[in-house]
Amino acid sequence: AQRVTQPEKLLSVFKGAPVELKCNYSYSGSPELFWYVQYSRQRLQLLLRHISRESIKGFTADLNKGETSFHLKKPFAQEEDSAMYYCALSETGANNLFFGTGTRLTVIP
Amino acid sequence: DTGVSQDPRHKITKRGQNVTFRCDPISEHNRLYWYRQTLGQGPEFLTYFQNEAQLEKSRLLSDRFSAERPKGSFSTLEIQRTEQGDSAMYLCASSPGGLSGYTFGSGTRLTVV
Repeated sequence: AQRVTQPEKLLSVFKGAPVELKCNYSYSGSPELFWYVQYSRQRLQLLLRHISRESIKGFTADLNKGETSFHLKKPFAQEEDSAMYYCALSETGANNLFFGTGTRLTVIP
Repeated sequence: DTGVSQDPRHKITKRGQNVTFRCDPISEHNRLYWYRQTLGQGPEFLTYFQNEAQLEKSRLLSDRFSAERPKGSFSTLEIQRTEQGDSAMYLCASSPGGLSGYTFGSGTRLTVV
């Protein structure tokens, strides 16, 4: 069963516009959720995790247990935000991550 | 220490051949993970080591796959009798403990022809 769903494979927004990358998960326990980012020709890296409740590069993500969502948001997109974004989930006590299929964000100048 | 290193970066092999990949984690990281990523998909977990002990293996890791971490430092992933379906990017990650400290390598891209 797919634990993490990212419904948009591609997303394009204009520079300065708000951006929201959707992530829904399927897990009955208390998940730990993450967003990873892969910039062009770079390795996969952690962007943020829900536990830390921090904002990284202007991005935030709130865990909504009622809607089982962990959408990634940024109020004003920048060209350097263009990248592949993966939502990932870890089950309680687990050591591995389940990744979604990713969303490629393109910020149009 | 420049992060997680994987070797080779690319590997082309004929179907039926054996291949071995190497991962050098960040030196102070005791946890090491292997993932596989096929085109259009996110990374999928294969296996996990804590020091030299292989503690978890995914069902994706068929009998043709074997991973080792003999001294708790570098790790190798071997695929025997490769099949075209094994073509993928093989990613290694390490962490000092827990999931927030995951650092990924650049991966080894395997093409089976």
